[in-house]
Amino acid sequence: KAGVTQTPRYLIKTRGQQVTLSCSPISGHRSVSWYQQTPGQGLQFLFEYFSETQRNKGNFPGRFSGRQFSNSRSEMNVSTLELGDSALYLCASSLSQGAKYEQFFGPGTRLTVL
Amino acid sequence: LAKTTQPISMDSYEGQEVNITCSHNNIATNDYITWYQQFPSQGPRFIIQGYKTKVTNEVASLFIPADRKSSTLSLPRVSLSDTAVYYCLVGDMGDSGYALNFGKGTSLLVTP
Repeated sequence: KAGVTQTPRYLIKTRGQQVTLSCSPISGHRSVSWYQQTPGQGLQFLFEYFSETQRNKGNFPGRFSGRQFSNSRSEMNVSTLELGDSALYLCASSLSQGAKYEQFFGPGTRLTVL
Repeated sequence: LAKTTQPISMDSYEGQEVNITCSHNNIATNDYITWYQQFPSQGPRFIIQGYKTKVTNEVASLFIPADRKSSTLSLPRVSLSDTAVYYCLVGDMGDSGYALNFGKGTSLLVTP
């Protein structure tokens, strides 16, 4: 069974631009969560989608948004990029929503904002 | 959402047993306790999960006291490859969704 895939793996953008990251969950998984990881703040929860609906959202500004498609694939968008948005963005999928279900992480997208 | 507190870093020698304790004083009735491991430049990987008492699998044990306000991840006879960051998470499975906050975790360094 294929794991979680994320595209692109690396991305360089400049301030003010916008970016879209993609995540394909493990087949059969319906929940997709997004995380931001930086050296200073650790691994922070962005949002979680289940059945195409955002079920929970972390403490991030509205510039960060996402969506989930009917095939459970998910995209995350960041508008008006800032230098502080440089980070590793991780996507995780699980069978269903809820902490009981193991999350499987993708390799991440390394975003650099110049 | 239950807040967790765990040591920022720990050091160990190869072959020793390592115990990492996590505090979660306001854990709720429906909350599960889960531990993840993360190597550099990789996403976290599930290690073990429990609700109460003791859980053991092929890589670790998880000890949860009766009041569930803390938990201890035990790694038997660590090797150099166990050098990683370990995260303790507490979250429920409510229908309203959940937010698993990983925080900064515990950075474990294993040396020869």
